[in-house]
Amino acid sequence: AQSVTQPDARVTVSEGASLQLRCKYSYSATPYLFWYVQYPRQGLQLLLKYYSGDPVVQGVNSFEAEFSKSNSSFHLQKASVHWSDSAVYFCALSMGGGYKVVFGSGTRLLVSP
Amino acid sequence: EAGVTQSPRYAVLQEGQAVSFWCDPISGHDTLYWYQQPRDQGPQLLVYFRDEAVIDNSQLPSDRFSAVRPKGTNSTLKIQSAKQGDTATYLCASSFAGVSAETLYFGSGTRLTVL
Repeated sequence: AQSVTQPDARVTVSEGASLQLRCKYSYSATPYLFWYVQYPRQGLQLLLKYYSGDPVVQGVNSFEAEFSKSNSSFHLQKASVHWSDSAVYFCALSMGGGYKVVFGSGTRLLVSP
Repeated sequence: EAGVTQSPRYAVLQEGQAVSFWCDPISGHDTLYWYQQPRDQGPQLLVYFRDEAVIDNSQLPSDRFSAVRPKGTNSTLKIQSAKQGDTATYLCASSFAGVSAETLYFGSGTRLTVL
């Protein structure tokens, strides 16, 4: 069965610093991979998604993620974080269009001034 | 374009009481998902529909939970006899399955507290 692991429950970075949030997946083929963000008292919103092609995917608000088949990873990155990036970030996986989407446990990001 | 609408926003119950959650997906979206999100955890799929048909309800506690989507549009999730362990936010999401890597659009959720 497919699964997603986010090993870091909480990450704290200073404003202006770079960011990497880690995501590892388990699936026998290449899955569809997603990063979602959840702000307080809101639903999840898509940041970016990947299926094939260039392993570096650009998303909203200057986020990007890099897919690695050899490492079964899909890490989220940002060159310079802003205080408004403080939120919970979820990595997710799907087998394809119309299949269920499985989420990781999330990483809570706190950006300190 | 209207987003996914859920109601109520909050619900507080005593153990043993029943509660229903309602979801109105984005118009034209054929796939509808219900997720349970316990505090400080990721969303866990309960059930999802393609039009009015249940595609996967393997994680739905069938003795107390039920979900319907009778006309392939709105959906209701019901807990017959709530337990403290059901305390969580219940998220509804919709998508269009015709796209190869479809985006899920989420509502704001219903936060359930069972005392």
